Amino acid sequence: KAGVTQTPRYLIKTRGQQVTLSCSPISGHRSVSWYQQTPGQGLQFLFEYFSETQRNKGNFPGRFSGRQFSNSRSEMNVSTLELGDSALYLCASSLLSGRQETQYFGPGTRLLVL
Amino acid sequence: GENVEQHPSTLSVQEGDSAVIKCTYSDSASNYFPWYKQELGKGPQLIIDIRSNVGEKKDQRIAVTLNKTAKHFSLHITETQPEDSAVYFCAASTDYGGSQGNLIFGKGTKLSVKP
Repeated sequence: KAGVTQTPRYLIKTRGQQVTLSCSPISGHRSVSWYQQTPGQGLQFLFEYFSETQRNKGNFPGRFSGRQFSNSRSEMNVSTLELGDSALYLCASSLLSGRQETQYFGPGTRLLVL
Repeated sequence: GENVEQHPSTLSVQEGDSAVIKCTYSDSASNYFPWYKQELGKGPQLIIDIRSNVGEKKDQRIAVTLNKTAKHFSLHITETQPEDSAVYFCAASTDYGGSQGNLIFGKGTKLSVKP
C-alpha cells in the first residue's frame, strides 16, 4: 500500500507570495493532519481535516488555511508569506479522526521563503 | 494545554549498547503515546506506540513503557545499530476542544550510534 505523498517536495517563494501544498493520504484513510516543523519550534500541529471538514486547529494565524476534497486529498495554503514560514510542512493521515488514531507521515514539503 | 518534554536532546552510544529516551507529559487525560523516528530528509516514521491501558509494549529491539501515575513514558532500544542513528520524537495525543486528537511532540532526541 502506498504511503502518504506530498507535492511539491521543495519550494522557494518570496515574502508576500502565497503557496499551496498538496497531500494525498494512504488509500482508505479519511483524516489528514498538517504539521509545521522548524528547528526552533519543533513539530507543531496546524489543523486536521476529516470528511472535508476542519475538525481541529492549532495556534497559527489565519494566513494558514486548508481544505480536504471528497477523495480525502488535502491542500494547505499559506498567504502573504513571511520569512518565518520557512519550514518543513508535514502531512499525516489516519484511518479515522480521534485521539488514539495512528498517524502516518509523508516526506514533507520543504518551503524556503526569501 | 498539553506539554511534552523530552530528554536527552542528544544521545551518543556505542553499537550494541542500549539507548533510553524519556518523555513527560502534563495532561493527565492524554491516552495515546507514539514514538517516531526521523532520518535526514524524511518525514517522521512511526516505530512504536502505546495506549494508556497498557504499561509496556515491545517490538523486537524496541520497547516503550508508560507510567500514567507519574505521567512519563520511555523508549528503550536494545542492541543498537548504526542504522538506529536518527532523531526520535515522542508525542502525546490530547483533546483540543472536542473528541478529535492532535499530537503534541517533544523536541526530539538526536541519537548517534558509533560503530
